[in-house]
Amino acid sequence: KQEVTQIPAALSVPEGENLVLNCSFTDSAIYNLQWFRQDPGKGLTSLLLIQSSQREQTSGRLNASLDKSSGRSTLYIAASQPGDSATYLCALLDSGYALNFGKGTSLLVTP
Amino acid sequence: GAVVSQHPSWVICKSGTSVKIECRSLDFQATTMFWYRQFPKQSLMLMATSNEGSKATYEQGVEKDKFLINHASLTLSTLTVTSAHPEDSSFYICSAYDRGEKLFFGSGTQLSVL
Repeated sequence: KQEVTQIPAALSVPEGENLVLNCSFTDSAIYNLQWFRQDPGKGLTSLLLIQSSQREQTSGRLNASLDKSSGRSTLYIAASQPGDSATYLCALLDSGYALNFGKGTSLLVTP
Repeated sequence: GAVVSQHPSWVICKSGTSVKIECRSLDFQATTMFWYRQFPKQSLMLMATSNEGSKATYEQGVEKDKFLINHASLTLSTLTVTSAHPEDSSFYICSAYDRGEKLFFGSGTQLSVL
C-alpha cells in the first residue's frame, strides 16, 4: 500500500524566507502527484500537478519537483508571505483511482 | 474554473441522529465523486466512491449502512451519516474530477457529534 510522508509536520518562518516542503512516497509507480493547500475550515486548493513523465512544475512563487526513482517531491516557496500560511498536502495518484494523501505540513509565515 | 460546492460547512448534532452532507459540481458534470474523511492530525482518507446512477464503492473498513451515499444526478452526491456517534466526528470532504485530471474539492464539512 502506498505510504506518503511529509516532512516537516510543522514549520514557522519569518516573512520573505524561501522554504522547501518535502514529500516522500514508497511506490514509484504513480500517474501524477499534486500539491494542495488547505486553509482552516476550508476545502483544498490544487496548487501544482506533476505528471509522472514530468520533473517539475512552476506557478508564480511555487515550484514543485518530482523524482520518482527516489520517491520524493519537493514544494519550493519563494519569498514567503503571511498569506502563505496554511497546511500543504502532498497527494499522489497511483494504480487506484483516488489520491493518497500525506498528513501535511502546517506552515506559519510570520510578519 | 471548476467549482465543487459542499454544504453544510459545519454541523453539530446529538448522538443517534442522522446528518446529510451535500456535494454539488456547479459548472461541470461529475459521473464520479469521492468522499474523504480526515481525523485531527491525520491524512485525508478515501471513504467511498460515488457513481452516478449506481451503488457507491466503499473502502475497506467503511460501513456502507452507516454512511449512505446517493448520487442521483450528474451534479449532486450526498453523504448521510446515520445514527451518528461521537467517534464519527470528523472533517468530511467531497471531490470530483472535471474534464481534466485535477481533482477539485468542496469546502468540507466539520461534523461534531455530541
